[in-house]
Amino acid sequence: DVKVTQSSRYLVKRTGEKVFLECVQDMDHENMFWYRQDPGLGLRLIYFSYDVKMKEKGDIPEGYSVSREKKERFSLILESASTNQTSMYLCASSSLAGGLDTQYFGPGTRLTVL
Amino acid sequence: ELKVEQNPLFLSMQEGKNYTIYCNYSTTSDRLYWYRQDPGKSLESLFVLLSNGAVKQEGRLMASLDTKARLSTLHITAAVHDLSATYFCAVERTGNQFYFGTGTSLTVIP
Repeated sequence: DVKVTQSSRYLVKRTGEKVFLECVQDMDHENMFWYRQDPGLGLRLIYFSYDVKMKEKGDIPEGYSVSREKKERFSLILESASTNQTSMYLCASSSLAGGLDTQYFGPGTRLTVL
Repeated sequence: ELKVEQNPLFLSMQEGKNYTIYCNYSTTSDRLYWYRQDPGKSLESLFVLLSNGAVKQEGRLMASLDTKARLSTLHITAAVHDLSATYFCAVERTGNQFYFGTGTSLTVIP
């Protein structure tokens, strides 16, 4: 079974802090994604990566950056956290193999910025 | 810009009843995914629909895809409490990027 893990389930930070959210997958997937989930808005794509050291902006990249130094790990960075970044953050991974691109999700990190 | 609309947003239904959740999307896509999310948990893949006319069934849930109408449906048959969750549809655009709908929060009451 695919397993996607995220470093924290709950996180509380202060405005202006630098925040790191870590995601690790154990299925050798090429693709990794970061979303945020807010009530009434569904999931919105922040950044994604198709390979090591590659990154692409999603729909709402402002205020975020990412890092993918190893295939299994994809980090989301909030350079200077703000209260409007309080949200649930979900990481996902997928593979191009087999023609099915189902994304597998981690448990999520609920971030509160005070 | 691709838009994915689900309706209803909230659904309260009695056990044993049938209902359908609708997912409309605004641009051409041949791949549509349905996910389930339980409260406080992450998303679990339910169905992958890969072509026009595709139909998938698992237990009391059946999903279908009409790419010409840009519509997918998730039909619930004889609902039970265990089906209470939020259901999302997602449309695949280029490069395995997904556009998600806003979700339908389903509550099944005795």
